[in-house]
Amino acid sequence: GEDVEQSLFLSVREGDSSVINCTYTDSSSTYLYWYKQEPGAGLQLLTYIFSNMDMKQDQRLTVLLNKKDKHLSLRIADTQTGDSAIYFCAGSFTGGGNKLTFGTGTQLKVEL
Amino acid sequence: DVKVTQSSRYLVKRTGEKVFLECVQDMDHENMFWYRQDPGLGLRLIYFSYDVKMKEKGDIPEGYSVSREKKERFSLILESASTNQTSMYLCASSPTGTGGYEQYFGPGTRLTVT
Repeated sequence: GEDVEQSLFLSVREGDSSVINCTYTDSSSTYLYWYKQEPGAGLQLLTYIFSNMDMKQDQRLTVLLNKKDKHLSLRIADTQTGDSAIYFCAGSFTGGGNKLTFGTGTQLKVEL
Repeated sequence: DVKVTQSSRYLVKRTGEKVFLECVQDMDHENMFWYRQDPGLGLRLIYFSYDVKMKEKGDIPEGYSVSREKKERFSLILESASTNQTSMYLCASSPTGTGGYEQYFGPGTRLTVT
């Protein structure tokens, strides 16, 4: 089945850029998503990218997709303490129906 | 705004008890999902449903069952709770369509089995 992997932790200083990476094994992705989970809460969609796109920018967020390497990244510019959360990448894959496959999540810690 | 609600935020049960976790969505979504979230393992799909009375096993269905009698409600049942089912349980819903498959999540239920 599909496998989606992320590093578990990332620590950055306030004001720096954060880059959270994700790799996946199934090349038949249709959409790829980034979700944010704040402490004690459910997941909230941050942004998504269609698989025929290379990049998507949305305010402080930039998503880069390298289909050849099956690599997805989320860049957060000017990271703030409110960005501290767990970030999940997820993908929908051909044959998966309406299911999403989630990564393990990256805990982002923003330090002053 | 899409709203997905879960019946409890925190639940403590004893080993062997039957546990019901309820999820309700108000956007007429066809698809509903139950996940469990454990540190370092991400979200793992337990069961999902794409229509009333329909259910499909996810990646880790053992020890769980589900019920979907009404479109808006999807219940997760632990027939005989065990300590290894201590976890955060997340419910989600999504519409069916040819576009993306964004899922909308509830706030989660943190279940502790003692």
